[in-house]
Amino acid sequence: QKEVEQNSGPLSVPEGAIASLNCTYSDRGSQSFFWYRQYSGKSPELIMSIYSNGDKEDGRFTAQLNKASQYVSLLIRDSQPSDSATYLCAVSQRKYNAGNMLTFGGGTRLMVKP
Amino acid sequence: IAGITQAPTSQILAAGRRMTLRCTQDMRHNAMYWYRQDLGLGLRLIHYSNTAGTTGKGEVPDGYSVSRANTDDFPLTLASAVPSQTSVYFCASSVRLRPRPPYNSPLHFGNGTRLTVT
Repeated sequence: QKEVEQNSGPLSVPEGAIASLNCTYSDRGSQSFFWYRQYSGKSPELIMSIYSNGDKEDGRFTAQLNKASQYVSLLIRDSQPSDSATYLCAVSQRKYNAGNMLTFGGGTRLMVKP
Repeated sequence: IAGITQAPTSQILAAGRRMTLRCTQDMRHNAMYWYRQDLGLGLRLIHYSNTAGTTGKGEVPDGYSVSRANTDDFPLTLASAVPSQTSVYFCASSVRLRPRPPYNSPLHFGNGTRLTVT
């Protein structure tokens, strides 16, 4: 089992719809969770961070965390073609004897069709 | 403009040559990281540094070395490049890991270096 797992996609949604991106992780001790967006040929940019169970909303984005199920998701409301990108889930894990480091999932490619 | 600067943007390198990828940040972040990103394998941590003067090995450290002489700079050196090191390399930084939950601050990424080893 991968430490941080995402469906690679592509996930295709029509413009204006809700896009739902999912991520599962293996380390029950994980405390910090992040969603990054990466456009083709560009660097990852932070969208959301979430640390507590429940929902966290920021504009059209909502992150959902369920530590008991080891599951974190990102909802994008009113999806726009400009949201088309790869979305990376990052989860903190205690490793390398250096404290909690971020492990990234492989990313889900989202395509929003006009 | 505050951020992370990586150089070069891209490079084609002959196998066996030595190469240093440069990374400089002006955000006074304590922690810095080097990742490589390969299709189908995602972002993988090469080396990290939690504070100036210390470094550590990540998931894929073989063939790479780093140094952290000061807070701002974190160069990555390929001593003798091999074709399997063809990748996109990202430098990242964050504020110091916190001693209590939540432990991690977000990573801020540079624009990347696209390296091709022939």
